[in-house]
Amino acid sequence: SQTIHQWPATLVQPVGSPLSLECTVEGTSNPNLYWYRQAAGRGLQLLFYSVGIGQISSEVPQNLSASRPQDRQFILSSKKLLLSDSGFYLCAWSVLGHEQFFGPGTRLTVL
Amino acid sequence: QKEVEQNSGPLSVPEGAIASLNCTYSDRGSQSFFWYRQYSGKSPELIMFIYSNGDKEDGRFTAQLNKASQYVSLLIRDSQPSDSATYLCAVPSGGSARQLTFGSGTQLTVLP
Repeated sequence: SQTIHQWPATLVQPVGSPLSLECTVEGTSNPNLYWYRQAAGRGLQLLFYSVGIGQISSEVPQNLSASRPQDRQFILSSKKLLLSDSGFYLCAWSVLGHEQFFGPGTRLTVL
Repeated sequence: QKEVEQNSGPLSVPEGAIASLNCTYSDRGSQSFFWYRQYSGKSPELIMFIYSNGDKEDGRFTAQLNKASQYVSLLIRDSQPSDSATYLCAVPSGGSARQLTFGSGTQLTVLP
């Protein structure tokens, strides 16, 4: 069966510091991968998606970037965090249809 | 830009009652619809999807789709306190990567 991992689970970072969040999927090949952000009490905002290694599409221009160095690995990065980057970051995957399955998420607080 | 609208709630129902959650969408061409449940502090979990007009039942959950009126509903029968969560509706965005557009969610509280 497929599983998806995200780490770290929680993170507290100062403004201006770098960020690296990692997501890995097990038990499937060639998944579509997605990064979402959910601000407190808000809906899901799609940040990036990827249909294959090295293929990244951005939905919202901002100080974040994403990379997919391996088929089942998706990384979200920032060179300098802003206060507004605080939120719940979710990675998701899909294979055949539109059904997406989410990882446990990373709760980021920028101080 | 496809839009998905949900009443934010909160919606409160007594234990054992039927909870009815509604979602409207803007794109008449949407073909599939998804319901996710999100407990506080946790990630969303897919609980139902529906492709055809009419009802789809899975245990205590029933998804109802009315394409002519462009709404999809989720009914939860015999509601339990463990059903208290935020319920998100999602429709395909139409992109090549099978993206979804999510509603903002309806917060449901089932009172014991």
